[in-house]
Amino acid sequence: AQTVTQSQPEMSVQEAETVTLSCTYDTSESDYYLFWYKQPPSRQMILVIRQEAYKQQNATENRFSVNFQKAAKSFSLKISDSQLGDAAMYFCAYKNDYKLSFGAGTTVTVRA
Amino acid sequence: KAGVTQTPRYLIKTRGQQVTLSCSPISGHRSVSWYQQTPGQGLQFLFEYFSETQRNKGNFPGRFSGRQFSNSRSEMNVSTLELGDSALYLCASSLDGNRNQPQHFGDGTRLSIL
Repeated sequence: AQTVTQSQPEMSVQEAETVTLSCTYDTSESDYYLFWYKQPPSRQMILVIRQEAYKQQNATENRFSVNFQKAAKSFSLKISDSQLGDAAMYFCAYKNDYKLSFGAGTTVTVRA
Repeated sequence: KAGVTQTPRYLIKTRGQQVTLSCSPISGHRSVSWYQQTPGQGLQFLFEYFSETQRNKGNFPGRFSGRQFSNSRSEMNVSTLELGDSALYLCASSLDGNRNQPQHFGDGTRLSIL
């Protein structure tokens, strides 16, 4: 079974600054996908970014980027130039053939 | 393109009752998955449907069941409700459920058991 660990329950960042959210996972598979989802108070889970395990290049999506270290089974999310709208709970997720396994989430607060 | 639609948005039930939740996937998506989200257990996989067949199931009791129709819409049923079933139930769809496809989520149904 795959487990996903997010060790930071809460993170606070000043507007326009950068924050990094950590995520580690455990798997015996070599081919898989990793995702970061954002869940604002409106509660809809929104896909932020995804990473294919067989690609060494880190994924980037506008102000969001990841640091994927396959050997270390680490998948951190960096939010640059933080905005008030980035305030939400962020979930790291691992996907095998059919289901997502989620971490416990990290609540991000953005200070104006 | 319309997103994943879940109805109703809120439900209040009492112990022992049963409930049916509905999910309409993104047009063209044939895989529908259900997740339960609680403060204590986080997000847990319930089951996945594809082409009207349940392909995969999580570790939930038989009181939790579902089905999928020919138009890919899915329903989830919970019978003999317990207080611990209070949760946000999220539905997600993807084209065919392959690992390379992200799942797109609906707004969820908030179920409260009194």
